[in-house]
Amino acid sequence: AQSVTQPDIHITVSEGASLELRCNYSYGATPYLFWYVQSPGQGLQLLLKYFSGDTLVQGIKGFEAEFKRSQSSFNLRKPSVHWSDAAEYFCAVGPNTGKLIFGQGTTLQVKP
Amino acid sequence: DVKVTQSSRYLVKRTGEKVFLECVQDMDHENMFWYRQDPGLGLRLIYFSYDVKMKEKGDIPEGYSVSREKKERFSLILESASTNQTSMYLCASSLFQMNTEAFFGQGTRLTVV
Repeated sequence: AQSVTQPDIHITVSEGASLELRCNYSYGATPYLFWYVQSPGQGLQLLLKYFSGDTLVQGIKGFEAEFKRSQSSFNLRKPSVHWSDAAEYFCAVGPNTGKLIFGQGTTLQVKP
Repeated sequence: DVKVTQSSRYLVKRTGEKVFLECVQDMDHENMFWYRQDPGLGLRLIYFSYDVKMKEKGDIPEGYSVSREKKERFSLILESASTNQTSMYLCASSLFQMNTEAFFGQGTRLTVV
């Protein structure tokens, strides 16, 4: 079955600390992978996407993610977190048409 | 700028009512989607459409229907609203071509009482 797992429901980091959000997927075909962010009361904004090529992808707001096929993972990272990064983060997989399978989401809290 | 607009941010409806959630995109996208978002479950696909008058079931279509009479508009219909349909509903659109992503609306928070 196709699925996406975000093992961490809630993460708290201090401002300025590094961040890694985990994402594991199960998908039969070559996956197209996405990270979206949702601020409170808002829709989803695309942070970055992986379709092919370089397995380390850069996104907006200083985020990056690395595709590891052998581990079926697509973890999101940021070297230094800002208070404005507090939000809910969703990993998604699917064909590149918007018909996506989402993970459960990870809520990020940033301590001053 | 890319825009997906959902007609209501908040809705309160009574059990048994017929409810329409409207979504409009101004990007000339072929694909449109309706997702439902619940805490701890992420987003789940209800219905999607690849073209006008075309629709396909997603993962949780029960209790819902959709309508796409014009390319830019995709409506989600709750034929007889129930309390377990209280949720956040998100509309999205994307191009039909390869290597593109979905753009989301702001969401409609529906409460069925």
